[in-house]
Amino acid sequence: AQSVTQLGSHVSVSEGALVLLRCNYSSSVPPYLFWYVQYPNQGLQLLLKYTTGATLVKGINGFEAEFKKSETSFHLTKPSAHMSDAAEYFCAVSEALYSSASKIIFGSGTRLSIRP
Amino acid sequence: DTGVSQNPRHKITKRGQNVTFRCDPISEHNRLYWYRQTLGQGPEFLTYFQNEAQLEKSRLLSDRFSAERPKGSFSTLEIQRTEQGDSAMYLCASSLDSRETQYFGPGTRLLVL
Repeated sequence: AQSVTQLGSHVSVSEGALVLLRCNYSSSVPPYLFWYVQYPNQGLQLLLKYTTGATLVKGINGFEAEFKKSETSFHLTKPSAHMSDAAEYFCAVSEALYSSASKIIFGSGTRLSIRP
Repeated sequence: DTGVSQNPRHKITKRGQNVTFRCDPISEHNRLYWYRQTLGQGPEFLTYFQNEAQLEKSRLLSDRFSAERPKGSFSTLEIQRTEQGDSAMYLCASSLDSRETQYFGPGTRLLVL
């Protein structure tokens, strides 16, 4: 069974500071991994995804994440936070590579706040 | 490409009433998914369609819930005899096939009084 754990339900950083949102996953097969962002009262927007190949994945808005199989982690980073980055971030996993169902299992989310 | 659309965006209903939500996926997307998101939680998978066939249903989907995708295009999610515990955001997503990115709609927020 797949699962996702996001460490820290709320993270606050200063504008211009490094953003680090932590995610650990559990999967019995090589996973697809995702980070989605959700702004208030909106649906989810894909930031980036890892399927196979290069373990460092670059996404939109300057975000990137690194797949570390040995640590079962997929942490999200951004070198310099911007006020517009304030939102809810969800890490997610799917077994799409091995399962036709490809449903996505989401973590409980991390709310990112940016201090001026 | 207009993206995934959902209607209505908000619905307030009284306990015991039936409600129906609609999802229009991105055209030519064969896969359509429904998720439910409660306050402070990540979305949870409910069910998915491959064209018009409903292929998997979560245990979260009680017999009061029914979903259809009659012509393999738009989908509807109906909740019968709503309960206060059904209050949530209902999200729809679509993808080209099983390995492609799921694109989410804006959701329908349901409040059951």
